[in-house]
Amino acid sequence: RKEVEQDPGPFNVPEGATVAFNCTYSNSASQSFFWYRQDCRKEPKLLMSVYSSGNEDGRFTAQLNRASQYISLLIRDSKLSDSATYLCVVNTEEVGRSGGYQKVTFGTGTKLQVIP
Amino acid sequence: DTGVSQDPRHKITKRGQNVTFRCDPISEHNRLYWYRQTLGQGPEFLTYFQNEAQLEKSRLLSDRFSAERPKGSFSTLEIQRTEQGDSAMYLCASSSRAGLAGRGDTQYFGPGTRLTVL
Repeated sequence: RKEVEQDPGPFNVPEGATVAFNCTYSNSASQSFFWYRQDCRKEPKLLMSVYSSGNEDGRFTAQLNRASQYISLLIRDSKLSDSATYLCVVNTEEVGRSGGYQKVTFGTGTKLQVIP
Repeated sequence: DTGVSQDPRHKITKRGQNVTFRCDPISEHNRLYWYRQTLGQGPEFLTYFQNEAQLEKSRLLSDRFSAERPKGSFSTLEIQRTEQGDSAMYLCASSSRAGLAGRGDTQYFGPGTRLTVL
């Protein structure tokens, strides 16, 4: 099983639609979670952090379910400019060869295409 | 621009040549990461520095790859004897330790170096 799994999509949705992405993670000790957005041939950019209580930022809502080990991203009232790949990121404190470090694992990303 | 910068943005090389990439992190960030990303995949962790110390290196990283961060500021990633399979986007990210326990540090990415090995 992959450490972080996402549905690769693509999700093709009309403008104004609501779309939800899920991401599952395998390590129950993982502590922090993020959603990044990546446009074609560009670097990933932080969209939202996701903590135990979840959070909302405008049209975007992120939720964390520790019991089921998944996080979600909900986008309401989709805009054409939301078209991108959404990457789920899971951080886990681990002990490596040189001591403690933060292991960062990305999902493969979910591609969203918002259609006029 | 005070973000993460990478140089060069594009590199085309012939198989067997050595290449070196540079990353300049956000100045107050003490953590620096290198990733590799191929088409349709998420970024794959390569190595991690805290200040000048290389604290972790992916098992996937062959001994042809080496990274340094000599003064705890900029970092270089060198690939020796490049192979066609090394063709990818190489991303650098930096972060600083979050003050709250249990909260991971947010990484900020540079624009990447796209490597093509012919």
